[in-house]
Amino acid sequence: DIQMTQSPSSLSASVGDRVTITCQASHDISKYLYWYQQKAGKAPNLLIYDASNLETGVPSRFSGSGSGTDFTFTISSLQPEDIATYYCQQSDTLPYTFGQGTKLEIK
Amino acid sequence: EVQLVESGGALVQPGGSLRLSCAASGFTFSSYAMSWVRQAPGKGLEWVSAVIGSGVSTYYADSVKGRFTISRDNSKNTLYLQMNSLSAEDTAVYYCVKGLRLWGRGTLVTVSS
Repeated sequence: DIQMTQSPSSLSASVGDRVTITCQASHDISKYLYWYQQKAGKAPNLLIYDASNLETGVPSRFSGSGSGTDFTFTISSLQPEDIATYYCQQSDTLPYTFGQGTKLEIK
Repeated sequence: EVQLVESGGALVQPGGSLRLSCAASGFTFSSYAMSWVRQAPGKGLEWVSAVIGSGVSTYYADSVKGRFTISRDNSKNTLYLQMNSLSAEDTAVYYCVKGLRLWGRGTLVTVSS
């Protein structure tokens, strides 16, 4: 199975800060990486697909980059409504494994 | 509006069985692979199983292989997950997912005596 190592596991930042989360795959997954946002008590919501494509309706402050084994997710200017846990998931090879998640809090 | 609605979650005893359903609407159900993903209380996400649009090919996580069966009825726009030999480790919210992009709200399965 492909292991997805996501870091950090938690993050505290101020409104307006630039926030970065990384995800590293144990094998080359090309561009096949998704980023999700999960708010407390809710289902995950897709933000980024194929590493860098913004899902329809997602604010442009969210972005993704990377290919192969190293990927980055960025919030350019943190907003209060961005409080959530963020997950990466590889969709290159079954089983479609997830990162451990990053819990984002506002300072 | 595209919608996925899971049902069938319940409290079940260890060793028991349960069948989850996911009713899909707002899209051509048979054209999409569908997955089940679960989340144990306070834990991360775990992909469980997937089935292609025709239903011919199915895939499972090692943790459920041989115990869970995914299926679909394209005439009813419904996805299923038959879960047998349940244990406490299967306690989770189970999400139905369309092509890894759209998630239902989930249904809670609790395995406990």
